[in-house]
Order: sequence, then structure tokens, then C-alpha cells
Amino acid sequence: EIVMTQSPATLSVSPGERATLSCRASQSVSNNLAWYQQKPGQAPRLLIYGASTRATGIPPRFSGSGSGTEFTLTISSLQSEDFAVYYCQQYNKWPPYTFGQGTKLEIK
Amino acid sequence: EVQLVESGGGLIQPGGSLRLSCVASGFTVSRSHMSWVRQAPGKGLEWVSVIYSGGITYYADSVRGRFSISRDNSKNTVFFQMNSLRAEDTAVYFCARGQGVSGSSAFDYWGQGTLVTVSS
Repeated sequence: EIVMTQSPATLSVSPGERATLSCRASQSVSNNLAWYQQKPGQAPRLLIYGASTRATGIPPRFSGSGSGTEFTLTISSLQSEDFAVYYCQQYNKWPPYTFGQGTKLEIK
Repeated sequence: EVQLVESGGGLIQPGGSLRLSCVASGFTVSRSHMSWVRQAPGKGLEWVSVIYSGGITYYADSVRGRFSISRDNSKNTVFFQMNSLRAEDTAVYFCARGQGVSGSSAFDYWGQGTLVTVSS
């Protein structure tokens, strides 16, 4: 099973600033990596797939990078609606599909 | 418009059974791969099962032998039969669609979730 590790667990950033979230895989997942955003009481929403491709309707301030075992989600200028929990997920070697433990992005 | 609507959750005693349903609209479940993902209270996401377009199914170790995924093509619905429920199965259960025809796909649409609480 591929283990996904996200860092940091909590990130405090001011609105308008940049946020950088990290995700590491225990073995290579190529570019088969997705990022999801989840707000309280809601389902996860797909943000990024293929490590760097934005899903439909996702604003360009969200960007993903990386391949192999190291990945980054960057939010260039935080808006109030961006404060949420973010999960990475690998879908390269399955089953199981595995998620990171999440990074909570909170307002500083 | 793609939509997934889950139902069937509730309060159940340990050892009991529940069947969850996920009704899909805007696409055909038999041509997609459909997963169930759960989230225990205050915890992260855990994939638990998938049914591929060809009908092949897989399960997480934590539920294998107790839970079963299936679909009814005529109703465009995916089911999740949960038997021998344990307290640690308490979670919100989401159904989610794989975005491509291959199993190597992200989950592009999710239902709103249904809460399963296992407690005496």
C-alpha cells in the first residue's frame, strides 16, 4: 500500500498571501496524484488531477506541481473561501486508493 | 448535470446490517468506476470499495468479507451492503465517480454523504 504523507498538518496564512501545501508518497505514483478541498459538512471537491491539471471550474490561483514522490499544491492569493482542509490522493497503484491525512488551512 | 445522491445511513447496533444506495444522474454508472469513501468523525478520508465498469470489485482490508458493493444498471444506482458492523465503521459514507474509464482516475464527482452510526 502506498502511504501518502501531507505537511504541515495545519497551515496559518493571511488572506491575500500564498499558501504552499506538500504531499509525499512512500513510492513513486508518477503523476497520478489528485488534490481535493473539503469544507465542514461538505463533500470533497476535486481541485487538481494528474498532479497539475485543474479540474473544471477551479480558479487559476490553484496550481499543482511535482511527480514521482513529491507534490505541491499552491494557492497564489488566498481568498476567504479557500480556508478548508486539503487532501492529496494517489491513484497510480490500486487498490487501495490512498489519501493523505489532510492539511487544514486556517486564517492567520 | 452529474449528480450523486446517497441514502440509507442511520443508527445501527454493533453486528447489524445496513444497505446504502447511491443514485446517479447525468451519466451511466455501468460505464464508470464507482467508489465508496468514508470519513470517521473528525478524521480524514478512507477509500473502502470500488466497482469498475466491467463489474470487478475491490475492498479495503478493513471491510473485506463484511461489506459488498454492487450496482443496478436499470436504476443507475450503486449499492453498499454493510454487514457485521462495528463501532469503528461509524463514518459519513460518500460515493464518488472515477473521472476516466481507467481505474487510474481521480474522483471527479461526489455525493453529499450519508452518516452511519454504529452504537448500542
